[in-house]
Amino acid sequence: GAGVSQSPSNKVTEKGKDVELRCDPISGHTALYWYRQSLGQGLEFLIYFQGNSAPDKSGLPSDRFSAERTGGSVSTLTIQRTQQEDSAVYLCASSSGQGNEQFFGPGTRLTVL
Amino acid sequence: QKEVEQDPGPLSVPEGAIVSLNCTYSNSAFQYFMWYRQYSRKGPELLMYTYSSGNKEDGRFTAQVDKSSKYISLFIRDSQPSDSATYLCAPGGGTGRRALTFGSGTRLQVQP
Repeated sequence: GAGVSQSPSNKVTEKGKDVELRCDPISGHTALYWYRQSLGQGLEFLIYFQGNSAPDKSGLPSDRFSAERTGGSVSTLTIQRTQQEDSAVYLCASSSGQGNEQFFGPGTRLTVL
Repeated sequence: QKEVEQDPGPLSVPEGAIVSLNCTYSNSAFQYFMWYRQYSRKGPELLMYTYSSGNKEDGRFTAQVDKSSKYISLFIRDSQPSDSATYLCAPGGGTGRRALTFGSGTRLQVQP
């Protein structure tokens, strides 16, 4: 596709359930980022993938959060045992790896009841 | 103290006005600076990317970076109602991490 796509666009879940969020980066982009945007918190970094290198997980808030990137393309962010404070918009971005510009998808709005 | 400070607004201006949006940052290691525009319930859209002190112009938008004072600005000339959005500054690089560090965003309203 022409841009970064994310699915689902909205997800409502009950506290304690696991959720999976998907990101399809721009074709050919080797770098992929996950950010979270909460009310009053701004955009915060979660995890970064670059090619076959070990991911930078320094932004993950707890061990309930994990992400993988299969085949150097699609990425899945998994949140286990969701809590109400996990409610936020989860944004994915990709970049070419050579350049620093990051291009964002539309986000997944997660609501934990 | 946050690494990147940005006045949350809202900033309300009449159509045609010149808008000045500003950020300060504390980490002198930052090497490049981006501005994103985010419409309500949409993902951030890259507007400007600069990597040195000075000005960069693109149409009605001018990005200005002053590394000595750790101050970055975005100017919008001839503002339009369609410019109404939240503007996020995002410095990056030089910290051993490729992720950007975002300001909290300034909400701009351009009144027709």
